[in-house]
Amino acid sequence: GAVVSQHPSRVICKSGTSVKIECRSLDFQATTMFWYRQFPKQSLMLMATSNEGSKATYEQGVEKDKFLINHASLTLSTLTVTSAHPEDSSFYICSANRGAYYNEQFFGPGTRLTVL
Amino acid sequence: QKEVEQNSGPLSVPEGAIASLNCTYSDRVSQSFFWYRQYSGKSPELIMSIYSNGDKEDGRFTAQLNKASQYVSLLIRDSQPSDSATYLCAVNENTGAGSYQLTFGKGTKLSVIP
Repeated sequence: GAVVSQHPSRVICKSGTSVKIECRSLDFQATTMFWYRQFPKQSLMLMATSNEGSKATYEQGVEKDKFLINHASLTLSTLTVTSAHPEDSSFYICSANRGAYYNEQFFGPGTRLTVL
Repeated sequence: QKEVEQNSGPLSVPEGAIASLNCTYSDRVSQSFFWYRQYSGKSPELIMSIYSNGDKEDGRFTAQLNKASQYVSLLIRDSQPSDSATYLCAVNENTGAGSYQLTFGKGTKLSVIP
């Protein structure tokens, strides 16, 4: 149990285009999903917290107009990187929690974004 | 600023030995603690959760929690080369209004030598 999928696993795009990444909890309902970014050999960085049916909460320094998050249902959250630039190239990972209080988070396999 | 501290390593142990990974945290009211394993180029995988003081065992893994000392550890018995990875300690923090987020340590890189 507790499987989280992410799609696509890898994407290469041209500078200026938008990229949408989907995150799904396959066997449980997630009241909250989280989006992280990780650069090579660096720590996980939380970008935003997404609650079903409400606006996402972004961490300081993360541009909400650039990283659009939609949490349409208890099993699906999407991250859209708008007008991507080479500096947005990174490993984007979502997670879903299976209970708010203990916040046991299960991670998706990640999406490696390369912007040319 | 709430912090989670880990020794970055690398920690090298011979195959078959016990690997001991340590973590300290700053937020005294934290109630849940996690260990994740992350292989290079992959996403983190939850391997242990612990909520109460004491030990929790699952197969070759034992998590230990001491809330008074704000310390959590992970022991890996009979270490295997496949255990070579970065181990992330994570602590649940209450951010207010019923919201929680995990604060991660920077991770300890474990290398198991055949």
